[in-house]
Amino acid sequence: DAKTTQPPSMDCAEGRAANLPCNHSTISGNEYVYWYRQIHSQGPQYIIHGLKNNETNEMASLIITEDRKSSTLILPHATLRDTAVYYCIVRENSGYALNFGKGTSLLVTP
Amino acid sequence: ETGVTQTPRHLVMGMTNKKSLKCEQHLGHNAMYWYKQSAKKPLELMFVYSLEERVENNSVPSRFSPECPNSSHLFLHLHTLQPEDSALYLCASSQVLINTEAFFGQGTRLTVV
Repeated sequence: DAKTTQPPSMDCAEGRAANLPCNHSTISGNEYVYWYRQIHSQGPQYIIHGLKNNETNEMASLIITEDRKSSTLILPHATLRDTAVYYCIVRENSGYALNFGKGTSLLVTP
Repeated sequence: ETGVTQTPRHLVMGMTNKKSLKCEQHLGHNAMYWYKQSAKKPLELMFVYSLEERVENNSVPSRFSPECPNSSHLFLHLHTLQPEDSALYLCASSQVLINTEAFFGQGTRLTVV
């Protein structure tokens, strides 16, 4: 699976949009971009995933660049409960496990 | 509630004890995983079972022994652990060969004394 690079930490004010970047310059054509988050000492929670088109669900939006070498996870109106470590992972469609890196620690402040 | 249940949630064991962690999924998935998360470290994949067969074993010491009796249950048998094995142990499940997400349990916080 391709490697990803994320900033170690970010801050965001409550109510504002949180934009979390991820670089995956070695992504191959059959690899999807997945985003998970982990609130302290809990199991990771799935957020969203995509291949090349932008995706949106009730939690977030995923913007993937046209060359697929980077993506951005957008939490449109961050709340204090969005404080967590966010992981960007690339995985083949037929792949098994998700390989987690260090992620981005997002702190949402009042 | 993710559909993946782990028991116990917390476990304290001595280095000479034998214990087992249990994971159960109610999602109809055909793959299950064990991850280890030590303090301030990324999740480390330990074992992967697909269709009840072990397909991946990432150089895990033999004091950790997985068992997958059916597609809904996964165990991690522990014996003669070391204090450095203290960690959060997470179970996950997914449907392989289909582009879907994996679901995680809430984990078992293990302390080896």
